[in-house]
Amino acid sequence: DAGITQSPRHKVTETGTPVTLRCHQTENHRYMYWYRQDPGHGLRLIHYSYGVKDTDKGEVSDGYSVSRSKTEDFLLTLESATSSQTSVYFCAISGGDSYYYGYTFGSGTRLTVV
Amino acid sequence: GIQVEQSPPDLILQEGANSTLRCNFSDSVNNLQWFHQNPWGQLINLFYIPSGTKQNGRLSATTVATERYSLLYISSSQTTDSGVYFCAVELGAGANNLFFGTGTRLTVIP
Repeated sequence: DAGITQSPRHKVTETGTPVTLRCHQTENHRYMYWYRQDPGHGLRLIHYSYGVKDTDKGEVSDGYSVSRSKTEDFLLTLESATSSQTSVYFCAISGGDSYYYGYTFGSGTRLTVV
Repeated sequence: GIQVEQSPPDLILQEGANSTLRCNFSDSVNNLQWFHQNPWGQLINLFYIPSGTKQNGRLSATTVATERYSLLYISSSQTTDSGVYFCAVELGAGANNLFFGTGTRLTVIP
């Protein structure tokens, strides 16, 4: 979707190094989310944001932190990458209003930790 | 947490055939969406359908919230329909956690 972009699209990193993934939206949506997708687990929520500087944990938040200093940007940081964090990471946005809660997903970031 | 079960897990269709995918969920939900993940990994929102019926071209969806299930119908399937179809639910307004099922992998052969 043109209104949400993720960077980088692919990354290989070494165990123990910090990694930051970026999600950028042009839709001015209030809510932003980070999911990871793994075989056998589907998509699971890592963290989400409901406004600038307002974030909360999802079901698999251990080892991850997030920041949102502007409406359009939501960063996901792996402080010290581990092999278990090898995954495909998706960012999503939603308007969060009472009428429509549809989610739009970015194209994903494939992260490999070696 | 809420359980989201999709069936069948795999489906192979001849081009032109029709199919029905099912999503069962274990609790009352405020939000239900269907997504298609294409072979390149892109997730596309097909329907936002917490209740009722919607149609979009060859696709339609029905959710019966009181019985805790949703159905996705694909008519006259095309090879471009191949991919994985996910059902995802959210428990309450503003709950902000969309729980995904494990998907139905559809392969449409020419």
